Amino acid sequence: DVKVTQSSRYLVKRTGEKVFLECVQDMDHENMFWYRQDPGLGLRLIYFSYDVKMKEKGDIPEGYSVSREKKERFSLILESASTNQTSMYLCASLMGTSSYEQYFGPGTRLTVT
Amino acid sequence: GQSLEQPSEVTAVEGAIVQINCTYQTSGFYGLSWYQQHDGGAPTFLSYNGLDGLEETGRFSSFLSRSDSYGYLLLQELQMKDSASYFCAVLTGGFKTIFGAGTRLFVKA
Repeated sequence: DVKVTQSSRYLVKRTGEKVFLECVQDMDHENMFWYRQDPGLGLRLIYFSYDVKMKEKGDIPEGYSVSREKKERFSLILESASTNQTSMYLCASLMGTSSYEQYFGPGTRLTVT
Repeated sequence: GQSLEQPSEVTAVEGAIVQINCTYQTSGFYGLSWYQQHDGGAPTFLSYNGLDGLEETGRFSSFLSRSDSYGYLLLQELQMKDSASYFCAVLTGGFKTIFGAGTRLFVKA
């Protein structure tokens, strides 16, 4: 079974703090994604990565950065957290050859106060 | 711009058939996926259509028409446990994925 884990289920941070969200997958998938999910807006892609050290901007990259130093780990960084970044953050991985199924982690509910 | 349109809510009766439509406008198209998400849970994959036509997986089927930029998810023999949100998602080049806003399905007894 593919397993995608995220470092925290719930996180509360203060405005201006630097926040790190970690995601690890155990199936050697090439592709990894970070989304945020807000009511009525579905899942919006922040960044994705198709290989180690490779990254591409999604639809809403402003205020975020990412790091992929190892194949299994994809980190999302909020450089200076703001209240409008309060959201559910979902990480996913995808093999991309013979299967287009994205496997999602359980999500991190981030609250910025 | 890029957009996916799907109904915000659908209500159906247990045992019935329901169809959730998705129309898309994207720059680049590789395939259309469907995901299910229960309240408090993570999205889980249901189906993928890369070519025109119908894909069937048990009680769920998914259809794609690339020329019409349209697809649908068909759920048969509805059960109470099918009450969830359903998302269509377009894979564009390089596996960049764009999700719709989701359709909330309510199944009534």
